[in-house]
Amino acid sequence: EIVLTQSPGTLSLSPGERATLSCRASQTVSSSYLIWYQQKPGQAPRLLIYGASSRATGIPDRFSGSGSGTDFTLTISRLEPEDFAVYYCQQYGRSPRVTFGGGTKVEIK
Amino acid sequence: QVQLQESGPGLVKPSETLSLTCTVSGDSISNYYWSWIRQPPGKGLEWIGYIHYSGSTSYNPSLKSRVTISVDTSKNQFSLNLSSVTAADTAMYYCARHNPVLWWCLDFWGQGTLVTASS
Repeated sequence: EIVLTQSPGTLSLSPGERATLSCRASQTVSSSYLIWYQQKPGQAPRLLIYGASSRATGIPDRFSGSGSGTDFTLTISRLEPEDFAVYYCQQYGRSPRVTFGGGTKVEIK
Repeated sequence: QVQLQESGPGLVKPSETLSLTCTVSGDSISNYYWSWIRQPPGKGLEWIGYIHYSGSTSYNPSLKSRVTISVDTSKNQFSLNLSSVTAADTAMYYCARHNPVLWWCLDFWGQGTLVTASS
């Protein structure tokens, strides 16, 4: 079973700052199947990044994804007030077919 | 625009079966794979399983013995049954669509429905 470990658990930053979120897999994950979601309180998760680095429709270009193998990163270049939320990485492929990381909360400092 | 809507009882007694339905509108259920995901209060996301319109399924091994996912193409719906529930099954339950063109990401989600397992 592939385990996805996200770090840090909480990131305290100010608007305008850069956020760097990590997702580390216990085994190699195909870059094609590494995905990032954003979840705000009381809402369903929203697709941000698929294929490790492709932004979903309507996602601003301040969000970017990178990485390969076992190490993946979500970067928010300049935090906007609406970006403070919880972010999850997810892999598709090995059993279980879908696995989520534990999440990183980006909070206002 | 694709929309998904979960429905079902919000309260289930321990040892009984949790049953939820997801109704899909704006697209045919026959074109994609469809998942159930849950989120206990204040915790992270857990994938339960998915189904294809053909009836092909894949389940999370941690829940496999208690889970059945089925599809009704005539109603554009798919359903979740989770048997022998305990308090640990209390969670927000989401249905979502896998998009194979976008590397199997979950691109559309329902708003979720809260299910509490309690007597």
